[in-house]
Amino acid sequence: QVQLVESGGGLVKPGGSLRLSCAASGFSFSDYYMSWIRQAPGKGLEWVSYITSSGTTIYYADSVEGRFTISRDNVKNSLYLQMDSLRVEDTAVYYCARGFGSLWHWWEDSWGQGTLVTVSS
Amino acid sequence: DIQMTQSPSSLSASVGDRVTITCRTSRGISNYLAWYQQEPGKVPKLLIYAASTLQSGVPSRFSGSGSGTDFTLTISSLQPEDVATYYCQKYDSAPRTFGQGTKVEIK
Repeated sequence: QVQLVESGGGLVKPGGSLRLSCAASGFSFSDYYMSWIRQAPGKGLEWVSYITSSGTTIYYADSVEGRFTISRDNVKNSLYLQMDSLRVEDTAVYYCARGFGSLWHWWEDSWGQGTLVTVSS
Repeated sequence: DIQMTQSPSSLSASVGDRVTITCRTSRGISNYLAWYQQEPGKVPKLLIYAASTLQSGVPSRFSGSGSGTDFTLTISSLQPEDVATYYCQKYDSAPRTFGQGTKVEIK
């Protein structure tokens, strides 16, 4: 079955960097769009970024544009999120999720367990 | 960007009650809307996509409707295991915005 396992979270100081990883298994990773979605403690869900199956098209939320970089390795079946210039408000559980649907319209049908990123001095 | 307005922010209902949650978008998104359930301390789970299509394995007491700018998630007979926060999400285009969430509790 579909399995998504995030890693790389932790405590980092404001202005610091962190790289999240998401290991995918149970499906043909290279065929699917992938997303990162986050949830600050006690708050709602916030879409962060997505990347198409080949990696040629990428979108970011305005809140992370220019600071975060999404990427994927279809040989290693892995999704990544490089987070630079981290801010206190980036503190959240970060989920990776698989996109399912058509080429132009798709939804997140499977989610990982999440990894907690804490930005604090 | 399209704004999402989900209401109510919370509700309390009795077991067996019909529960309705609304999601409104500031511009039309056809039927490109999904609903997710997040039980306390758990990962979000897809309930409905394309505004009204039930994800495999989701109980039939859940249903979705709407198109354009106004969408509804209905639980026909609330069960104790439905205690959760429910989110709508648009996926017509980026940004793939979520609604603010509706916390459902048992009275």
